[in-house]
Amino acid sequence: SQTIHQWPATLVQPVGSPLSLECTVEGTSNPNLYWYRQAAGRGLQLLFYSVGIGQISSEVPQNLSASRPQDRQFILSSKKLLLSDSGFYLCAWSAWGAESFFGQGTRLTVV
Amino acid sequence: GQQLNQSPQSMFIQEGEDVSMNCTSSSIFNTWLWYKQDPGEGPVLLIALYKAGELTSNGRLTAQFGITRKDSFLNISASIPSDVGIYFCAGPQPGNQFYFGTGTSLTVIP
Repeated sequence: SQTIHQWPATLVQPVGSPLSLECTVEGTSNPNLYWYRQAAGRGLQLLFYSVGIGQISSEVPQNLSASRPQDRQFILSSKKLLLSDSGFYLCAWSAWGAESFFGQGTRLTVV
Repeated sequence: GQQLNQSPQSMFIQEGEDVSMNCTSSSIFNTWLWYKQDPGEGPVLLIALYKAGELTSNGRLTAQFGITRKDSFLNISASIPSDVGIYFCAGPQPGNQFYFGTGTSLTVIP
């Protein structure tokens, strides 16, 4: 069966520090991968998605970037965090045109 | 990005009551999905709909794929305290984007 791992679960980082969140998927090949951000009590905003290694599409211009160095690895990064980057970050995968499945999320607080 | 609008934004109901919520889009979807998110967790898939007009049930949950393919509905019958959470509609687009609705927050009062 497929599983998705996302870490860390919580993170407190100072303004201006770098960020690296990692997501890996097991039990499937060539998944579509997604990064979402969720502000407190709000909906899920699609940040990036990837349909293959090295292929990244950005939905929202911002202080973040994403990379997919391996088929089942998706990384969310920032060179310098802003206060507004705080939020709940979720990684998800899906097969083509089918339902998506989520990791447990990372609670990022920028101080 | 794509905007999926859900209503109501929040609901406060008594245990045992039925719940109805809906999701609308300006674009056509070929798949409609409904998720539930518990606090601090990732969303979990509840129901998937693949055909216009389709009506699908999962226990006390029933969802319908609108005939125009621009809307979907979720009903929960005889609500219980564990139904508390945020409910999201979602759908994939041909370009492989996967968009989520604005969410409906459900509170069940025992």
